[in-house]
Amino acid sequence: AQKITQTQPGMFVQEKEAVTLDCTYDTSDPSYGLFWYKQPSSGEMIFLIYQGSYDQQNATEGRYSLNFQKARKSANLVISASQLGDSAMYFCAMRGLAQGAGKSTFGDGTTLTVKP
Amino acid sequence: EPEVTQTPSHQVTQMGQEVILRCVPISNHLYFYWYRQILGQKVEFLVSFYNNEISEKSEIFDDQFSVERPDGSNFTLKIRSTKLEDSAMYFCASGRAESYSSPLHFGNGTRLTVT
Repeated sequence: AQKITQTQPGMFVQEKEAVTLDCTYDTSDPSYGLFWYKQPSSGEMIFLIYQGSYDQQNATEGRYSLNFQKARKSANLVISASQLGDSAMYFCAMRGLAQGAGKSTFGDGTTLTVKP
Repeated sequence: EPEVTQTPSHQVTQMGQEVILRCVPISNHLYFYWYRQILGQKVEFLVSFYNNEISEKSEIFDDQFSVERPDGSNFTLKIRSTKLEDSAMYFCASGRAESYSSPLHFGNGTRLTVT
């Protein structure tokens, strides 16, 4: 079975600073993908960034980057130069080949608050 | 940019009533999903659907739930006899491939309130 753990229920960051949101995962599947989604207070789920289990380099998408440490089974999201609009809930999720790639497993989420 | 659309955005219903939640996935996507999120809790997988069949479902997706693609564009989730514990945000998602590397594209959700 797959499991995603997000240990930070809430995080605060000053505007324009960087912040790291933690995500650890557990799976016996050698082939898997890790995803981060943003959920603003309006409720929608927005895909941010993806990291594959065989990717050699950390994924980056604009101000988002993923600090992927496969041996530690961690996939932390780094947001650089935080903006007020980054205040939201952030979910780490996983899909695995063996489990059935259709099913994503989500963590409990981290609420990020950006302070002006 | 194409997006997944869900209607209604908010549905209030009485316990025991049937509800149908509607979704229009992205047009060139072949794989469709329903997830739910009880307020303040994690997002949970309900069901995946491909080629007019359920391909996978969770233990949550019992006989009270059904999904359908009645035409070429809509994808629906029906709850036959709603319970209080069905109150949640329901997300429809679609994807181009059922691959572990393919991100899901979510709709904005339908907030279901059962009274």
